[in-house]
Amino acid sequence: EAGVAQSPRYKIIEKRQSVAFWCNPISGHATLYWYQQILGQGPKLLIQFQNNGVVDDSQLPKDRFSAERLKGVDSTLKIQPAKLEDSAVYLCASSLRHRARDLAKNIQYFGAGTRLSVL
Amino acid sequence: AQKITQTQPGMFVQEKEAVTLDCTYDTSDPSYGLFWYKQPSSGEMIFLIYQGSYDQQNATEGRYSLNFQKARKSANLVISASQLGDSAMYFCAMREQGADSGAGSYQLTFGKGTKLSVIP
Repeated sequence: EAGVAQSPRYKIIEKRQSVAFWCNPISGHATLYWYQQILGQGPKLLIQFQNNGVVDDSQLPKDRFSAERLKGVDSTLKIQPAKLEDSAVYLCASSLRHRARDLAKNIQYFGAGTRLSVL
Repeated sequence: AQKITQTQPGMFVQEKEAVTLDCTYDTSDPSYGLFWYKQPSSGEMIFLIYQGSYDQQNATEGRYSLNFQKARKSANLVISASQLGDSAMYFCAMREQGADSGAGSYQLTFGKGTKLSVIP
């Protein structure tokens, strides 16, 4: 079974430029998550989708970040314009469900991430 | 208040020895799950093991076991027979399952991680 695919693996941009990340979840996984991981910290949830609907975007800086999950499969996360503090690893994860009582269905599987450097 | 606390920024262990990585958590939700992930230098977060708050027995997965002490609110990861490939960052995470957990309910909250180095 293929895992979560993310691209690109690395991206270097200058501040005020825009950037987009792509994620393809594990086949059959209804829930997709985007996390931001700043160096030395654990991942922080940015946005969560259930199929193509947003479940939680309370920690997404909506003035510059946007995300979509068209057709309930692939997802893109965009930053426009980027700031220096956006330098981080952006991780995508997926799970079968997000509100299942059976914890096993809620296990999140992660991609390799995109390492963003904003200069 | 932090929901997940990992007090060991770094740990060293001799190859083939066992090591315990500490994790304490804070929640008033009676229903929750605790998860451990491994993050090698390549960056991918690899799921290792999970424990539900109502599970009677400690979870085990191969060389990984979870020492779950509910009254102490701790969920320590034990790695037996350490291997060089175990060198990585290890993150403890919690997911609250209750309906009254408020905004962000059901999301995974991570600790700051512990860097494990296995010495040959």
